Amino acid sequence: GIQVEQSPPDLILQEGANSTLRCNFSDSVNNLQWFHQNPWGQLINLFYIPSGTKQNGRLSATTVATERYSLLYISSSQTTDSGVYFCAVVLSRGSTLGRLYFGRGTQLTVWP
Amino acid sequence: DAGITQSPRHKVTETGTPVTLRCHQTENHRYMYWYRQDPGHGLRLIHYSYGVKDTDKGEVSDGYSVSRSKTEDFLLTLESATSSQTSVYFCAISEAGTTIHNEQFFGPGTRLTVL
Repeated sequence: GIQVEQSPPDLILQEGANSTLRCNFSDSVNNLQWFHQNPWGQLINLFYIPSGTKQNGRLSATTVATERYSLLYISSSQTTDSGVYFCAVVLSRGSTLGRLYFGRGTQLTVWP
Repeated sequence: DAGITQSPRHKVTETGTPVTLRCHQTENHRYMYWYRQDPGHGLRLIHYSYGVKDTDKGEVSDGYSVSRSKTEDFLLTLESATSSQTSVYFCAISEAGTTIHNEQFFGPGTRLTVL
């Protein structure tokens, strides 16, 4: 199956710092999503971004599908940004009807 | 927020007992999915449904069965729970499968412990 690799696995920041999270995938995809799993375990949709660039407040994401990677940018980080960030993709061929393949996540800790 | 609820939210059971988890949606979405999340892993697909009475297996389906008798409900059953099924279970929904508008939304999760 497809490999979804996220880096870095862990990231520790001071409040106010900026960061970039990366997601590489090994096959063609027709859907890519970024999620934030908060400390209470809830999965929050950040972006649905099969290609291009989107922005939502302090967060933005870029997917370059032809080069098989996506980036999540967090600017002016806050303690509430702490948690695990997951990238997940849907294969564009032979897909199990939209099933998501997840990376292992980036654990982000933001200190005050 | 997508209208997805899961019940129970927490459950402790003993090895060998049957367990049923329920996912309920109010969005009238066609596709529903069950994933499990284990430490050090992302989420992995157990089973999915593409309509009432239409279901299929995911990558970690052994030991699990599902049923969907109504659009809004998707049940996951562990016929005889084992300790390896201790996990957090997430239900997800989407309007479409592989075509456009297939953004998936997740429920709050069920934490299951099998002793």
